[in-house]
Amino acid sequence: RKEVEQDPGPFNVPEGATVAFNCTYSNSASQSFFWYRQDCRKEPKLLMSVYSSGNEDGRFTAQLNRASQYISLLIRDSKLSDSATYLCVVNIKQTGANNLFFGTGTRLTVIP
Amino acid sequence: SQTIHQWPATLVQPVGSPLSLECTVEGTSNPNLYWYRQAAGRGLQLLFYSVGIGQISSEVPQNLSASRPQDRQFILSSKKLLLSDSGFYLCAWSVKGSKNIQYFGAGTRLSVL
Repeated sequence: RKEVEQDPGPFNVPEGATVAFNCTYSNSASQSFFWYRQDCRKEPKLLMSVYSSGNEDGRFTAQLNRASQYISLLIRDSKLSDSATYLCVVNIKQTGANNLFFGTGTRLTVIP
Repeated sequence: SQTIHQWPATLVQPVGSPLSLECTVEGTSNPNLYWYRQAAGRGLQLLFYSVGIGQISSEVPQNLSASRPQDRQFILSSKKLLLSDSGFYLCAWSVKGSKNIQYFGAGTRLSVL
């Protein structure tokens, strides 16, 4: 079973739309949670951390439900520049290591 | 501020040839360092991580090896490349004792022919 599962999409949405991505993780010992953004043929870049109380950064809102082991990302008022692959990432502390586990990503295309 | 450098950006190598990819970090000391591979259409796979000079942990059995000869230098190597080694190789660093937020280099796109 994969540590992190995401809907691969693609999500094709018009400019100005609101879009939501979901992610589930399998290890209840997961300690911290993130969304990364990866543009085509580029490296992943941290978009935002995800906190249990939910957090917002401009048009982006992240939510974490530890009981359901579920993470979400909401993008409001989509821009063309939001087109990218969004990676759900979980940090799990294992014996002697503290490693990130990445979902395969959800691809978003914002259409003019 | 911290920066991470990876080179080369693109590499085409024949099967059976050796490989050396280098990654260096600036602006921080004693970082955790990581090598990942991303195959086309796949997620990131952790290959190696290092918590200090000379300390390497391997996550998957493979044709590759890693070394950390200096605090901020991480090298990925192979003696003989296989076709299956093709992919996008990413180096990353993180601060110890943190939430393990990792920052990535620009990556090396390797094609083995």
